[in-house]
Amino acid sequence: GQNIDQPTEMTATEGAIVQINCTYQTSGFNGLFWYQQHAGEAPTFLSYNVLDGLEEKGRFSSFLSRSKGYSYLLLKELQMKDSASYLCAVMDSNYQLIWGAGTKLIIKP
Amino acid sequence: IAGITQAPTSQILAAGRRMTLRCTQDMRHNAMYWYRQDLGLGLRLIHYSNTAGTTGKGEVPDGYSVSRANTDDFPLTLASAVPSQTSVYFCASSDSLAGEQYFGPGTRLTVT
Repeated sequence: GQNIDQPTEMTATEGAIVQINCTYQTSGFNGLFWYQQHAGEAPTFLSYNVLDGLEEKGRFSSFLSRSKGYSYLLLKELQMKDSASYLCAVMDSNYQLIWGAGTKLIIKP
Repeated sequence: IAGITQAPTSQILAAGRRMTLRCTQDMRHNAMYWYRQDLGLGLRLIHYSNTAGTTGKGEVPDGYSVSRANTDDFPLTLASAVPSQTSVYFCASSDSLAGEQYFGPGTRLTVT
């Protein structure tokens, strides 16, 4: 079966760095996506990785290792507005997204 | 502002009733999707459409139907609602099959 695993909840301090991990087992691989979802709102796109390595976009970076079925999202200089759920999703061989349950990130002052 | 709209925002529905959730996008995206989101679970794909005139079944299609008469609209119909269909429903679209998906604001549906 297809499976995406990520921690249910994490807590971090404002101004710090946090790494959210995602491991996956899917039928085929056509890229890995990270989305942010604030409570009561729609998911919004953060990053996309299809090749191994690190993609940096401002305070957010995403890493992929296809051989290990592993990705992480790195958030630097945390702000209170970063309190949200972070969703990992893998595009399978049918170009359908398989979603993790999301990691709720709590930022403390 | 370009994007995706969904209606209604929320709805309480009696079991056995028929309901259509509306979704419209103005980005001229080819692909559109319907997901449901339940607490503790990832988004699950109900139905999708790769282009106008075609539709396909996702992971959890039972009890739902869709149509794609044109590029912009992708309504989702519950023929006879059941309490297990209580969920938040998101419509999404993408320019290409492998592209990032843009989400509508969601419809919160409660079936009693």
